[in-house]
Amino acid sequence: RKEVEQDPGPFNVPEGATVAFNCTYSNSASQSFFWYRQDCRKEPKLLMSVYSSGNEDGRFTAQLNRASQYISLLIRDSKLSDSATYLCVARATNKLIFGTGTLLAVQP
Amino acid sequence: NAGVTQTPKFQVLKTGQSMTLQCAQDMNHEYMSWYRQDPGMGLRLIHYSVGAGITDQGEVPNGYNVSRSTTEDFPLRLLSAAPSQTSVYFCASSYGVGAEAFFGQGTRLTVV
Repeated sequence: RKEVEQDPGPFNVPEGATVAFNCTYSNSASQSFFWYRQDCRKEPKLLMSVYSSGNEDGRFTAQLNRASQYISLLIRDSKLSDSATYLCVARATNKLIFGTGTLLAVQP
Repeated sequence: NAGVTQTPKFQVLKTGQSMTLQCAQDMNHEYMSWYRQDPGMGLRLIHYSVGAGITDQGEVPNGYNVSRSTTEDFPLRLLSAAPSQTSVYFCASSYGVGAEAFFGQGTRLTVV
């Protein structure tokens, strides 16, 4: 079983839609969590950190549920420019564990 | 504003050849790491370093060596290339393992 699991998608949504991704992690000792975004044939870039209290950055909201060991990312009012792969990341001691990513395609 | 610089961007090797992927960062980051990314497998950690002179193995270290003689540089050496090492390789750096990781642009390696 992978330490961080994500639905690979693709999620095909129209512009303006709200879309949510979930991610589960198996190591209950994981200390912190992140969402990274990766455009096609590009390097990953940090989208946002995920805090226990939940956090919001514009149209993006991230939530952490430690009891159920899952992380979520909600994107409101999807834009064409949101099309990318979203990587869920958990921090273990001295390393980051990446999920395989969820592909989002926003359609005009 | 260089950030993390990886070279080369593309490379084709023959089975059995060796090579070094270069990675340099100018942000004075202590933590550096190498990943490989394969379809359906996501990013997998090869080796990492928490500071100059200190390296450790990640999830898939076999066939790769690293060294960290300076804070800035973290080269990855392929000892004897195999077709299974065909992949996209990313180097990353951060202030610490829990801080934002900055990635290089990647090296697309093909072993024939």
